[in-house]
Amino acid sequence: GESVGLHLPTLSVQEGDNSIINCAYSNSASDYFIWYKQESGKGPQFIIDIRSNMDKRQGQRVTVLLNKTVKHLSLQIAATQPGDSAVYFCADGLGGYGNKLVFGAGTILRVKS
Amino acid sequence: NAGVMQNPRHLVRRRGQEARLRCSPMKGHSHVYWYRQLPEEGLKFMVYLQKENIIDESGMPKERFSAEFPKEGPSILRIQQVVRGDSAAYFCASSPPGQIEAFFGQGTRLTVV
Repeated sequence: GESVGLHLPTLSVQEGDNSIINCAYSNSASDYFIWYKQESGKGPQFIIDIRSNMDKRQGQRVTVLLNKTVKHLSLQIAATQPGDSAVYFCADGLGGYGNKLVFGAGTILRVKS
Repeated sequence: NAGVMQNPRHLVRRRGQEARLRCSPMKGHSHVYWYRQLPEEGLKFMVYLQKENIIDESGMPKERFSAEFPKEGPSILRIQQVVRGDSAAYFCASSPPGQIEAFFGQGTRLTVV
């Protein structure tokens, strides 16, 4: 069955450093992956997505890498800022019709000033 | 364009009462999804609806839970005879037809006392 999991539950980084959050998935049929950021008391906020036919996608200060061989996904945040402190979730979508997402447990990112 | 609107933001119910959670999708979005989040966990898919149709309810408990998305008005997630284990944050997301990205609301935090 599907499962998406994260390696590290908590990540602490110094302001200005780069952050890397990892995620593993098990469903080789997965077509679509999304990273969400969730701040305390708020709903998940879309950060970046990537389809299975890509291995890298860049956004503003964020990069998502997909390694289908080992079923691994990572989110890189450049020059991490205090406002980046949140819980980050990867989610697996099968794309196509509908958008049922399977979420990982989340990684807490703490940015130290 | 207002985002996904959920109300109430906080809901307290005594055991045995009914809880009704409302979700108004973004304008032009005809797909609605409900997710449940327990503390310190990721979001778990519950149900996917389109106008007047339940498309996928594989994540819904078989008893006490129901969802609808009528032709007019918001989507409703209804929990009958609530128990303490129903305490969680319930998030609604919406997406337009043919698009994968889903936008989340701020959630309803249900507390059963």
